[in-house]
Amino acid sequence: NAGVTQTPKFQVLKTGQSMTLQCAQDMNHEYMSWYRQDPGMGLRLIHYSVGAGITDQGEVPNGYNVSRSTTEDFPLRLLSAAPSQTSVYFCASSYEYGGELFFGEGSRLTVL
Amino acid sequence: KNEVEQSPQNLTAQEGEFITINCSYSVGISALHWLQQHPGGGIVSLFMLSSGKKKHGRLIATINIQEKHSSLHITASHPRDSAVYICAVYGNKLVFGAGTILRVKS
Repeated sequence: NAGVTQTPKFQVLKTGQSMTLQCAQDMNHEYMSWYRQDPGMGLRLIHYSVGAGITDQGEVPNGYNVSRSTTEDFPLRLLSAAPSQTSVYFCASSYEYGGELFFGEGSRLTVL
Repeated sequence: KNEVEQSPQNLTAQEGEFITINCSYSVGISALHWLQQHPGGGIVSLFMLSSGKKKHGRLIATINIQEKHSSLHITASHPRDSAVYICAVYGNKLVFGAGTILRVKS
């Protein structure tokens, strides 16, 4: 039982490049979400999904896209990276909204 | 004013001390989480509370819904407890506190 698997752990991009952060869970959780963590600030919700085919925006969605084609996977796409997107990103899942959260190990992204 | 406020922001304790971290929130909630994040590490869930008190080993979490306040207590603190402790509340959205940085010295 791997839990929540997030890749890559580290990534350096140049401004304007695109990339996808992968997130997969094997717990059959309906709720999945992406957060960014910046120094001195709490975790901030980027996008979330309450089930396959259903996604919605969180607090800071600009510059990010998501899709949920399967229950297991919830990738986060940066279409044109900007230095302001330099951050640590966490994916999390729970059985349902409001339930215990399980986090991935995080992805540290640097945009030059 | 942030919807979730934690105090203190930073806390240094000696090994063995009793530690309290506080979380106050301003919205109606269905549940509150306490999370732990070790330096450079991932985030793990410690407790999920909707009322009363929960205990797990040396950790105790309490919540007072009427006062919109929760506390996380660590008894007999140990250097391995050094981490960031994060409070998060579920209202109509999930909101996180900024975290409390705890350092326990031996």
